[in-house]
Amino acid sequence: DQQVKQNSPSLSVQEGRISILNCDYTNSMFDYFLWYKKYPAEGPTFLISISSIKDKNEDGRFTVFLNKSAKHLSLHIVPSQPGDSAVYFCAASNLSGGSNYKLTFGKGTLLTVNP
Amino acid sequence: SQTIHQWPATLVQPVGSPLSLECTVEGTSNPNLYWYRQAAGRGLQLLFYSVGIGQISSEVPQNLSASRPQDRQFILSSKKLLLSDSGFYLCAWRGDRASPLHFGNGTRLTVT
Repeated sequence: DQQVKQNSPSLSVQEGRISILNCDYTNSMFDYFLWYKKYPAEGPTFLISISSIKDKNEDGRFTVFLNKSAKHLSLHIVPSQPGDSAVYFCAASNLSGGSNYKLTFGKGTLLTVNP
Repeated sequence: SQTIHQWPATLVQPVGSPLSLECTVEGTSNPNLYWYRQAAGRGLQLLFYSVGIGQISSEVPQNLSASRPQDRQFILSSKKLLLSDSGFYLCAWRGDRASPLHFGNGTRLTVT
């Protein structure tokens, strides 16, 4: 049972435009959400996170939106740059569930930003 | 600052051979440690996590085992590799609660 879903395996955008990456989750106990970026042959790098008490968190060009009622979050990248081309993973956890902090990941979305 | 080291970067092993992947973390104490695997076309699957020396929790029953002999050392092992063990193995650590996981650069394992 896939608890975190990224239904778009790939996304292609033009440089300077907005990239919107989507993620859906099914577990209502999830209360902490993260986005990671991964280049080939490297480990994922943490990008941005959001707690369930918020609906938006912004860090430079990256903004994450959380819609708890829809169990949906999205990552906006504005403006998109060729260096943003990578696989983006959505992840979720239940922080209030104790110290055994586990992240559940989606399958990832490959973003390609064309010059 | 904290750093995480994982080796080797790539490994090709025959079916039935043993496996030992090592991960160490520097610049922090008593981290929570994790082993994830990314199989081809799939997301990141949690294999093991550890909240302290000698404390290992397994998420997926399989051909692998993990050990934590020292505070900042985490080892992934297998006595006999299977073809299905091929994948990209990632070690990660976390400090306090609500802090994100930080990953190493991974090991690409190919079982032939």
